[in-house]
Amino acid sequence: DQQVKQNSPSLSVQEGRISILNCDYTNSMFDYFLWYKKYPAEGPTFLISISSIKDKNEDGRFTVFLNKSAKHLSLHIVPSQPGDSAVYFCAAIPGTASKLTFGTGTRLQVTL
Amino acid sequence: EAGVAQSPRYKIIEKRQSVAFWCNPISGHATLYWYQQILGQGPKLLIQFQNNGVVDDSQLPKDRFSAERLKGVDSTLKIQPAKLEDSAVYLCASSLASGTGGYFSYNEQFFGPGTRLTVL
Repeated sequence: DQQVKQNSPSLSVQEGRISILNCDYTNSMFDYFLWYKKYPAEGPTFLISISSIKDKNEDGRFTVFLNKSAKHLSLHIVPSQPGDSAVYFCAAIPGTASKLTFGTGTRLQVTL
Repeated sequence: EAGVAQSPRYKIIEKRQSVAFWCNPISGHATLYWYQQILGQGPKLLIQFQNNGVVDDSQLPKDRFSAERLKGVDSTLKIQPAKLEDSAVYLCASSLASGTGGYFSYNEQFFGPGTRLTVL
């Protein structure tokens, strides 16, 4: 049972344009959401997070939006840069627990 | 600050053989996690330790996988005997003690580079 889903396995965006990565979840107990970025041969690194009491969190070029009623979140990267090319994982946890449930990932390629 | 260290980085074995992975977490991190990432999937938690006690091992295939964290620092994950479907990247992560702080308090997990296991 895939509780966190990323339906787009890959995305290609031109440098300078907006990248939008989507994530859906089914478990209503999830109330903290994170995005991780992973380069080849490296472990995932934390990028940005949002709690369910908010609908938007922004950090520089990265913004995460949460729509609780739709059980959907998205990561916006503006402007996209070649160094953003990586696999992005959406993850979720319930409350004060620390067990992360990851999505399957979206490979972002930013082209020149 | 040194990150999470893992070894070996790569391992190739034949099915039914045994293999062990080692993890050294970030100094001061009480919580340690082992994840399995199969190609095309997201990381899946196998086991979580807080200090040297197991917090969650509900997804660990206990008939063949075992893990320990002696002295609450380093950890080893063992597979015996290995199956073809165990081919994956095994990631270790660490964080400050889980469950501290208030609601919506999340202690960031820092991941090591992983060990890529190929079972032939």
